[in-house]
Amino acid sequence: DTAVSQTPKYLVTQMGNDKSIKCEQNLGHDTMYWYKQDSKKFLKIMFSYNNKELIINETVPNRFSPKSPDKAHLNLHINSLELGDSAVYFCASRLGGPLLNTEAFFGQGTRLTVV
Amino acid sequence: AQRVTQPEKLLSVFKGAPVELKCNYSYSGSPELFWYVQYSRQRLQLLLRHISRESIKGFTADLNKGETSFHLKKPFAQEEDSAMYYCALNEGYNTDKLIFGTGTRLQVFP
Repeated sequence: DTAVSQTPKYLVTQMGNDKSIKCEQNLGHDTMYWYKQDSKKFLKIMFSYNNKELIINETVPNRFSPKSPDKAHLNLHINSLELGDSAVYFCASRLGGPLLNTEAFFGQGTRLTVV
Repeated sequence: AQRVTQPEKLLSVFKGAPVELKCNYSYSGSPELFWYVQYSRQRLQLLLRHISRESIKGFTADLNKGETSFHLKKPFAQEEDSAMYYCALNEGYNTDKLIFGTGTRLQVFP
């Protein structure tokens, strides 16, 4: 009964392809995130959704399009993949809201390799 | 501008030595601050949060608003503490934006 699950765990694909990463949380949280962790382990926020609505888009190229069909899912679709997209992508969820100091729960990560 | 700064990429100590992982933040409001840890081959998980003022696995962190710091400390490091540590700031009010520092890798040698 994993709290935040991502699929696939590994993804190897060629430049120019379109791919999706799925994320699901069973915690009943309101807020979900996508983070990108580069080769230097820098963890950078990409998107945040609250109750299916986009809250944060951190100047991510529009080749990246998050989709939230419902509160429990936040999928990441990437068009025209580039070499620089190679990274580990983490999904996370959190019981959001102001000043709740709540814990974020992370998925196990998806290692994307673009060749 | 970097809102959360962790100046050390790597911190190496011997077992039993004290550890301090530095974190400075930039935020004009009331910050929500956290430390997250990522052990090898495990997912990122919460270590502690400033509001709880708790000690987890021997680690503590005190929010110093004057110095805008939230350093993580442990008096006696253990080998199992070796991991990647991230300081995080929630910019919170009405945005729920959880920002991470660049991380510090702690290596504890036997």
